[in-house]
Amino acid sequence: SAVISQKPSRDICQRGTSLTIQCQVDSQVTMMFWYRQQPGQSLTLIATANQGSEATYESGFVIDKFPISRPNLTFSTLTVSNMSPEDSSIYLCSAGGGFGSGTQLSVL
Amino acid sequence: DAKTTQPPSMDCAEGRAANLPCNHSTISGNEYVYWYRQIHSQGPQYIIHGLKNNETNEMASLIITEDRKSSTLILPHATLRDTAVYYCIVRVGGTSGTYKYIFGTGTRLKVLA
Repeated sequence: SAVISQKPSRDICQRGTSLTIQCQVDSQVTMMFWYRQQPGQSLTLIATANQGSEATYESGFVIDKFPISRPNLTFSTLTVSNMSPEDSSIYLCSAGGGFGSGTQLSVL
Repeated sequence: DAKTTQPPSMDCAEGRAANLPCNHSTISGNEYVYWYRQIHSQGPQYIIHGLKNNETNEMASLIITEDRKSSTLILPHATLRDTAVYYCIVRVGGTSGTYKYIFGTGTRLKVLA
């Protein structure tokens, strides 16, 4: 599996602000995936990011709330916009069969 | 999208085989079954995957029924370090060669000393 580096590993943010999470892969990949994992629950796919095209969002997730960038074949970012306490969760990046260690986000 | 059903929890004695079942009755012919596990506070770790045939690697074996509607992950000699949440996942194909992984609810395996 690909090796994924994700940062930040955790952050505490104020309501109404935005946080950008970075994901770096150790090899070139076509598809990168962003997931959310709420406490005690399974992973829910937010969107799929393909290099050179718009991200594809799953039902219940929209681009205005979770804009994604995919500038090249080894890197992607997910932004959580206009955050509220309900956005407190772990966000994970995946590519090439591997997963990042996640970003634990707490919104006050 | 195909979905998976797993028992929420299982216990297994250390040194014994752990058999984790998964139902995926709506799986399509070209959709793979993947297994990952997640140890607390870490990202999911790949274990094994298969399409039709049974598969084995250094970590586990995957047994897929002939009708592909269910599968079983086998950890042949469970250790305490195998305590984790195990996810059975269907890789769903999309357009133009794209795909996505749909996670089930997972089975929390506890290996007992």
